[in-house]
Amino acid sequence: GAGVSQSPSNKVTEKGKDVELRCDPISGHTALYWYRQSLGQGLEFLIYFQGNSAPDKSGLPSDRFSAERTGGSVSTLTIQRTQQEDSAVYLCASSPLGRGYTEAFFGQGTRLTVV
Amino acid sequence: AQSVTQPDIHITVSEGASLELRCNYSYGATPYLFWYVQSPGQGLQLLLKYFSGDTLVQGIKGFEAEFKRSQSSFNLRKPSVHWSDAAEYFCAVGASGSGNTGKLIFGQGTTLQVKP
Repeated sequence: GAGVSQSPSNKVTEKGKDVELRCDPISGHTALYWYRQSLGQGLEFLIYFQGNSAPDKSGLPSDRFSAERTGGSVSTLTIQRTQQEDSAVYLCASSPLGRGYTEAFFGQGTRLTVV
Repeated sequence: AQSVTQPDIHITVSEGASLELRCNYSYGATPYLFWYVQSPGQGLQLLLKYFSGDTLVQGIKGFEAEFKRSQSSFNLRKPSVHWSDAAEYFCAVGASGSGNTGKLIFGQGTTLQVKP
């Protein structure tokens, strides 16, 4: 499809396990974002990739969270030693960011449940 | 610090009635403003955006929003609500100017319920 694709759509994991969430942005989009949507916290920015620039990691809640973007396309968000408070929907978005700002297109998210 | 406030957590309107969802932002420079809608089990869909120019912007599905700098507001309106508009609505602000990252600051969301 032409939209942002995220996998898996649902993930249940045991506390203490590591998880990887994948995002395939829209082809040609240079900017990629990860957000977290959890009850009581709303939508929180996590991390942002733009081209070859160093990512903006200012929203990552702890060092258990990391993300990488390979080849300027696919991104993986990794959560190590998951905790119950990590349960949330993780949303990925991409945009054709050049100079200035353009809208972000969101995927349908990965619902993570830590039990 | 940048912030977005949506004062109404939950709103119920009758089908066919008008709708206004409030959004106030705190941002030092000229903001880029957005309204997104999220239907159950769906991702976020952009309804409309304001970057510059005309302060009344038209969006999809018959929605419009007005940027009022003096009030730091960007309220969303629709003259006649349809049952399919029941969803959660998010207002967001993005950084503007050179060097911006494009990351969004979201409000807490407003859940819209539509009565038949």
